[in-house]
Amino acid sequence: GAVVSQHPSWVICKSGTSVKIECRSLDFQATTMFWYRQFPKQSLMLMATSNEGSKATYEQGVEKDKFLINHASLTLSTLTVTSAHPEDSSFYICSASLVARTDTQYFGPGTRLTVL
Amino acid sequence: QKEVEQDPGPLSVPEGAIVSLNCTYSNSAFQYFMWYRQYSRKGPELLMYTYSSGNKEDGRFTAQVDKSSKYISLFIRDSQPSDSATYLCAMSATAGGTSYGKLTFGQGTILTVHP
Repeated sequence: GAVVSQHPSWVICKSGTSVKIECRSLDFQATTMFWYRQFPKQSLMLMATSNEGSKATYEQGVEKDKFLINHASLTLSTLTVTSAHPEDSSFYICSASLVARTDTQYFGPGTRLTVL
Repeated sequence: QKEVEQDPGPLSVPEGAIVSLNCTYSNSAFQYFMWYRQYSRKGPELLMYTYSSGNKEDGRFTAQVDKSSKYISLFIRDSQPSDSATYLCAMSATAGGTSYGKLTFGQGTILTVHP
């Protein structure tokens, strides 16, 4: 149980285009989802926290107009990287939680984004 | 200074060795402590979760927390080649604060167990 999926698993796009990444909780309802990014050989950095039906809370330094997060249902959150540039290339990982408790936070497999 | 410090390694040990992984932290609000294992190009997998000082054992894994020293450890006994991965410590503050539910990760330690 407690499986989180992400789609796509990898994506390559041209600079200036927008990319949407989906995060789904497959067998439970996630009231809270978290989005992280991870650069090679570095740790996970929290980008934003989203609760179903409300606006996401972004961490300091994360541009909310560039990284659009939508958590429209209890099983789906999306991250859209708008007008992507090469510096946005990274590994994006989501996690889902039944409630905002770390002991129930389950991670997806990640999405590798490469912007040319 | 980072809130959570973790030696990135890499750490290479022979099969069967005892592995010790450590993290230090500076934020005294952290009360929940976790260890995750991450294989290359995969999401983190929760290994251990603790919220009190002392030891917690699960199979070959033992998590140790010393809140007075702001120091946590993960011990792996009888290490196997399949344990080769990046190990991340993570921490969270207590309920009620604005950081509730958020995980702060260490940099991760790359571990290789060779046959």
